[in-house]
Amino acid sequence: AQSVTQPDIHITVSEGASLELRCNYSYGATPYLFWYVQSPGQGLQLLLKYFSGDTLVQGIKGFEAEFKRSQSSFNLRKPSVHWSDAAEYFCAVGARYGNKLVFGAGTILRVKS
Amino acid sequence: DAGVIQSPRHEVTEMGQEVTLRCKPISGHNSLFWYRQTMMRGLELLIYFNNNVPIDDSGMPEDRFSAKMPNASFSTLKIQPSEPRDSAVYFCASSLRQGLGNEQFFGPGTRLTVL
Repeated sequence: AQSVTQPDIHITVSEGASLELRCNYSYGATPYLFWYVQSPGQGLQLLLKYFSGDTLVQGIKGFEAEFKRSQSSFNLRKPSVHWSDAAEYFCAVGARYGNKLVFGAGTILRVKS
Repeated sequence: DAGVIQSPRHEVTEMGQEVTLRCKPISGHNSLFWYRQTMMRGLELLIYFNNNVPIDDSGMPEDRFSAKMPNASFSTLKIQPSEPRDSAVYFCASSLRQGLGNEQFFGPGTRLTVL
């Protein structure tokens, strides 16, 4: 069965600082990997996804993530955080030919000015 | 497009009452998903439909929960009778087709509180 671990429940960064949110997955084959963002009172919005090919994927809002098979990781990064990035971020994994997403517990990002 | 529409946005009810949550997927989308989000269990898939047919309901917690999709533009999630442990945010999502290669678009959610 697939599973996702996001080891950091909360992260606080200063505006303009770089950001890295960690995600580790468990799956027997190469999975589909996703990062979603949820602003307060809103639904989830897809930031980026990895299916195959280049292991560094670019997403919306200046985010990127790198798939590292050897570490079973798919960490999300942003070089310079903006106050509007404060939200909860979810990593998710799915089977290559499946239809179901398994989500991590989420990481709440706080941005201090 | 208006996106995925859910109603109501907030629902407060008493234990034992029937609760019906509603979802209108994005027009033209053939797959619809119901998720539940709680502090304890995170975000879980309850059930999903493809072309109005339930494909996988293994995430539905118990028989008190039921979901229907009578047509391509409407789905309901019903809890009868409701219990305090059902308190959660319920999300509906839709995608163009089956398969994770198709992005799931989420609605704003319904926050359910069962007293």
